[in-house]
Amino acid sequence: QQQVKQSPQSLIVQKGGISIINCAYENTAFDYFPWYQQFPGKGPALLIAIRPDVSEKKEGRFTISFNKSAKQFSLHIMDSQPGDSATYFCAANRPSNLNNAGGTSYGKLTFGQGTILTVHP
Amino acid sequence: NAGVTQTPKFQVLKTGQSMTLQCAQDMNHEYMSWYRQDPGMGLRLIHYSVGAGITDQGEVPNGYNVSRSTTEDFPLRLLSAAPSQTSVYFCASSYSVANSYEQYFGPGTRLTVT
Repeated sequence: QQQVKQSPQSLIVQKGGISIINCAYENTAFDYFPWYQQFPGKGPALLIAIRPDVSEKKEGRFTISFNKSAKQFSLHIMDSQPGDSATYFCAANRPSNLNNAGGTSYGKLTFGQGTILTVHP
Repeated sequence: NAGVTQTPKFQVLKTGQSMTLQCAQDMNHEYMSWYRQDPGMGLRLIHYSVGAGITDQGEVPNGYNVSRSTTEDFPLRLLSAAPSQTSVYFCASSYSVANSYEQYFGPGTRLTVT
């Protein structure tokens, strides 16, 4: 059961354009929504993240829009550049009941299927 | 800091063989996890650990074992490899700061089971 659904699977954008990737989730217990960027042959790296009490977060050319009532969130890449060509994953964190010796609890990330973004020069 | 390191980078196994994928981190992170990445399916959590001696199952744990004897190391064991375990495996670590769960991923191990 895919708890986080991501679309589109692939996206082609011209340099300078806006790239938009959408995600929808089902579990209202999710408490943290990151986006990861992955280049070929590399591991994913955190790009930007948002918590559900905020409707928008912007970092440079990257913006997350979050709609709690619709259970949807999206990544907007403004002024897209060829260097942005990569695979993007949305994710959602579900709190875990598993605490460590110090009492810190972590969560489990559920990832979307990924979007391959190609930005043409 | 080397960050998160994984060995080997590539591995080919025959069906039924066993092996251990190694993962180490030098950031003193308490949380470590293993994911597998398959085309069109994103990354799926196999097992995770919140500290030495504390592990739990993720979304797709069958066929895999883990243990965490030190903060730094979190090996993943394939008990009896199957072609369905052909995938790219990523190890990740993180720390919790004000409930932010940023995970740092290793470079991955590409495993082929024939």
